[in-house]
Amino acid sequence: GESVGLHLPTLSVQEGDNSIINCAYSNSASDYFIWYKQESGKGPQFIIDIRSNMDKRQGQRVTVLLNKTVKHLSLQIAATQPGDSAVYFCAEIRQGAQKLVFGQGTRLTINP
Amino acid sequence: DAGITQSPRHKVTETGTPVTLRCHQTENHRYMYWYRQDPGHGLRLIHYSYGVKDTDKGEVSDGYSVSRSKTEDFLLTLESATSSQTSVYFCATSGQGYYEQYFGPGTRLTVT
Repeated sequence: GESVGLHLPTLSVQEGDNSIINCAYSNSASDYFIWYKQESGKGPQFIIDIRSNMDKRQGQRVTVLLNKTVKHLSLQIAATQPGDSAVYFCAEIRQGAQKLVFGQGTRLTINP
Repeated sequence: DAGITQSPRHKVTETGTPVTLRCHQTENHRYMYWYRQDPGHGLRLIHYSYGVKDTDKGEVSDGYSVSRSKTEDFLLTLESATSSQTSVYFCATSGQGYYEQYFGPGTRLTVT
């Protein structure tokens, strides 16, 4: 069936460490992926995206890796800060489907 | 932020009453979307618009209607609110179809 899911619902990391948030998808026809960050009481905030013709894309302190062989997506946050505490969603767009499908989200908490 | 506002931000209404939520954007984006966010379901698309007076249904459109009479405004109407429509509603906009959507702050709707 259709699914975009996350391996872990919660993730706790020490401040200053790197965070890795994972996402699995089931449809090999997906050609575009997005990571969103949602802080409490706010709308999702676009972080970074990647197209299926790429394996890696870097932004400011964030890197997204795409492994099409195992249908896996990850978001790496370098030097995690208290402001990174949020729920992170992956989302995919399937080629021709005109539909953005969201995963359930992973809550990232930062330990001082 | 992409210059998206939603009104009202909070609303409590009774079952059977009509409710209209407004999304206003200043980005001149062509595409606008309404999502609802519920625990265990993530973000689900209700309706979307690909231009003035051009709208289409999403995956959970039953009980909802939309209108877009000008580029900057996208209205979501619950003709007769039900308790199952208690949710947080997010508007999103994009200048590129389903890609890189930017979200508003959300409206928390409670139907009693």
